[in-house]
Amino acid sequence: DVKVTQSSRYLVKRTGEKVFLECVQDMDHENMFWYRQDPGLGLRLIYFSYDVKMKEKGDIPEGYSVSREKKERFSLILESASTNQTSMYLCASSFGGLTEAFFGQGTRLTVV
Amino acid sequence: GESVGLHLPTLSVQEGDNSIINCAYSNSASDYFIWYKQESGKGPQFIIDIRSNMDKRQGQRVTVLLNKTVKHLSLQIAATQPGDSAVYFCAESSTSGTYKYIFGTGTRLKVLA
Repeated sequence: DVKVTQSSRYLVKRTGEKVFLECVQDMDHENMFWYRQDPGLGLRLIYFSYDVKMKEKGDIPEGYSVSREKKERFSLILESASTNQTSMYLCASSFGGLTEAFFGQGTRLTVV
Repeated sequence: GESVGLHLPTLSVQEGDNSIINCAYSNSASDYFIWYKQESGKGPQFIIDIRSNMDKRQGQRVTVLLNKTVKHLSLQIAATQPGDSAVYFCAESSTSGTYKYIFGTGTRLKVLA
């Protein structure tokens, strides 16, 4: 079974803190994605990566950055956390082409 | 608990009945479509997919129908069970782009005993 593992289920951080969300996949997938999920807004793409060290902005990249130094790991960084970044964050990976994305269990981040 | 479904359209179905969940997609160039199920507190799980060269695909108790003319996708669940209660999302992707997935806002399915 494909496994996408996010490092934390729940996080509480203070405004202004630098926050790292980590994601690891074990299926040698080329593509990795970070989404945030908010009530009524569905899943919105923050960033995605189609190869090591490659990244592209999604629909809502402001306030976020990413890092992909190894194929299996994709990190989301909140440079200076703000309360409007309180959300559920979902990592996903896929082979690309006509294949599905596999999701992690999500990280619920609360910024106070 | 999980609050992702607070503002979602809700479909309530009697246990044992069939469910039909609909989705309108946005990009006429999309050629790959997926249905996901998300239970409370969990990440989305793959249910079934369909490519644009097909108009119907069946899985175990689930069928996906694709109407490219009106950009519409539906998920049919036969003999709905309590374990089917969840939020269901459709997603679209285009192989002519960068394989990003675009998700719909979701529908909550409630199964009534």
